[in-house]
Amino acid sequence: DGGITQSPKYLFRKEGQNVTLSCEQNLNHDAMYWYRQDPGQGLRLIYYSQIVNDFQKGDIAEGYSVSREKKESFPLTVTSAQKNPTAFYLCASRRGQGSGNTEAFFGQGTRLTVV
Amino acid sequence: AQSVTQLDSHVSVSEGTPVLLRCNYSSSYSPSLFWYVQHPNKGLQLLLKYTSAATLVKGINGFEAEFKKSETSFHLTKPSAHMSDAAEYFCVVTRMDSSYKLIFGSGTRLLVRP
Repeated sequence: DGGITQSPKYLFRKEGQNVTLSCEQNLNHDAMYWYRQDPGQGLRLIYYSQIVNDFQKGDIAEGYSVSREKKESFPLTVTSAQKNPTAFYLCASRRGQGSGNTEAFFGQGTRLTVV
Repeated sequence: AQSVTQLDSHVSVSEGTPVLLRCNYSSSYSPSLFWYVQHPNKGLQLLLKYTSAATLVKGINGFEAEFKKSETSFHLTKPSAHMSDAAEYFCVVTRMDSSYKLIFGSGTRLLVRP
């Protein structure tokens, strides 16, 4: 079955530690996105990538980094510079450029908690 | 610039009664609009989408939405609520520049009373 997979489902981070969230899709989509969701604030865009080896900052990129070395993979690293990383993180993918009318497919999310 | 406004942060209905979740959009272009549903601690699932074809769009689980250009609205409706409809719903518009980013509303939490 085609889909988008995020792992792990739950992740705990110690203060000052970097952690990486995995996102893999087998939908052959060019575009991939990372969102952060906090209670009562909807979804905010962290980073997005429209093609392999290229990505752009979203609205809240500070303290995060990404890579897009393969079409199917778009990992997100939460660095120690992110002062308030506790949140629910969602990855999404979408058909490529020029596809403004196509829907995004979402993973099941990773809940990150700082301990 | 594109934007969406969900007019209610919470909606509460009784099981078996109609559901109305309101969404207004702002767009300089003919918009692409979507409704997504999110159950607790889950990802988002597409309910339906409008892409300039029929103005009345039917989606999954008995939901539908009507695109009204004159009112810049895309309200989500369902004739009869089920307990399983309790979730958060997001109205989304596509940003019509080279990024094609999705712009999310702030969400409406639907509560269904037995």
